Formats: sequence, structure tokens, C-alpha cells
Amino acid sequence: AQSVTQLDSQVPVFEEAPVELRCNYSSSVSVYLFWYVQYPNQGLQLLLKYLSGSTLVKGINGFEAEFNKSQTSFHLRKPSVHISDTAEYFCAVTGANAGGTSYGKLTFGQGTILTVHP
Amino acid sequence: EAGVAQSPRYKIIEKRQSVAFWCNPISGHATLYWYQQILGQGPKLLIQFQNNGVVDDSQLPKDRFSAERLKGVDSTLKIQPAKLEDSAVYLCASQAGTGGAYGYTFGSGTRLTVV
Repeated sequence: AQSVTQLDSQVPVFEEAPVELRCNYSSSVSVYLFWYVQYPNQGLQLLLKYLSGSTLVKGINGFEAEFNKSQTSFHLRKPSVHISDTAEYFCAVTGANAGGTSYGKLTFGQGTILTVHP
Repeated sequence: EAGVAQSPRYKIIEKRQSVAFWCNPISGHATLYWYQQILGQGPKLLIQFQNNGVVDDSQLPKDRFSAERLKGVDSTLKIQPAKLEDSAVYLCASQAGTGGAYGYTFGSGTRLTVV
């Protein structure tokens, strides 16, 4: 079974400060990991994804994330945040079972509300 | 390419009434998902279709929820009768295939309020 734990429900930060949003996952043999952003009253927008290869993944709006298999983590980082980054962020996982059959469905964490203060 | 279309955008109903949501995925996308997002929580899968067949409906409350995807294209999700706890945003997503390597495209969602 797949599961995702986002370790912080809310993260307040000042503008231009760095931020890290933490995500831990559990899944089966292989995993694909995603970070989505959701602005108020809008749908989910993909920030970045890890499918394979380099463990450091760069996404849109200056965000990046690092896949750490040994710690089953996929933390999201940004070196300098802006007011416009205020939103809710979701980590999600999908994968495949030992037989190689893809689950397809995404399993989401509970979300982290990032609030950037001036 | 056009995105995933959902309607209506908002719906308010009284408890015990019925409601239906519609989703039109990206043309050619074989896989379609319905998710329920309750305020303050992450989206939760309700049902997954591959073409017009159900792949996973293990978390669909089948006593009141139903979904269909006729002809493997657009899909409808119905709630009958609605309960207060069904208040949520219902998101539709589609993929060209099945599996993480295929991109997921989400619609803007339908916000349901049950009063």
C-alpha cells in the first residue's frame, strides 16, 4: 500500500527566506514522486516530479526536491520565497508492485500550507 | 491541447438530494480518475477507470456514490442521497496511459456544499 506523510501542516516564513517542506512516503518496489501546488479555489498544478535518474529534481518557480531512497523522503525546497508562493502544497506518490504492475493512482499527503509574510 | 473540463464549477444542495458531476478528459487519455478533496485534507481517490472499465473503486462509498464512463471518454459521478460530509471539491484527472511515467492532468474541480 502507498502512503504519504507531510510532516508540517503549516509553515510560516518571511519573504526572501529559504523554505523546506517535508514529505515522507511508503510504497512498494518502485516509486514516482510528485509535488503539487494548489492556490485558493484552483486546481492542482504540478511543481515537479521524480521518475528516475538524478535524485535532485528541479521544477517550476524556483522549487527543487531531493529524492532520498534510504530515508524514503522527498523534501521540497526553495532558496528564497516570494509572497506569491503562499499556497497549499501536496506531496504525492504512485508506484508499481513487485510484479511490475503500475498502480496508476496518486496517493496524496495531507498538505502543507505555506504562508509567506512580508 | 485543451485541459480536463469539469462542470458545474459550484453546486449547493440540501442533504438527501442527488447531484451529478461531469468530466471530459483530454482527448485520447485512456485513464480517468475521480478524487474527493475535503477541506483541509489531500485528495483521496474515489474511482479509477481504464477506458470504460473500472480499475479501482475500493474507496467509493457504493451505497450512495456511482460513476460511469460510457464509451471510454467523458465520465459522470453521482451522489444519491447526499450527506453533509460529502461537502468537498471533486477533482477529475486523466492520463494518456496508466502509471507514474504518464503525466496527470487535473481539472479545476467541482465544489459541492451540502446544507
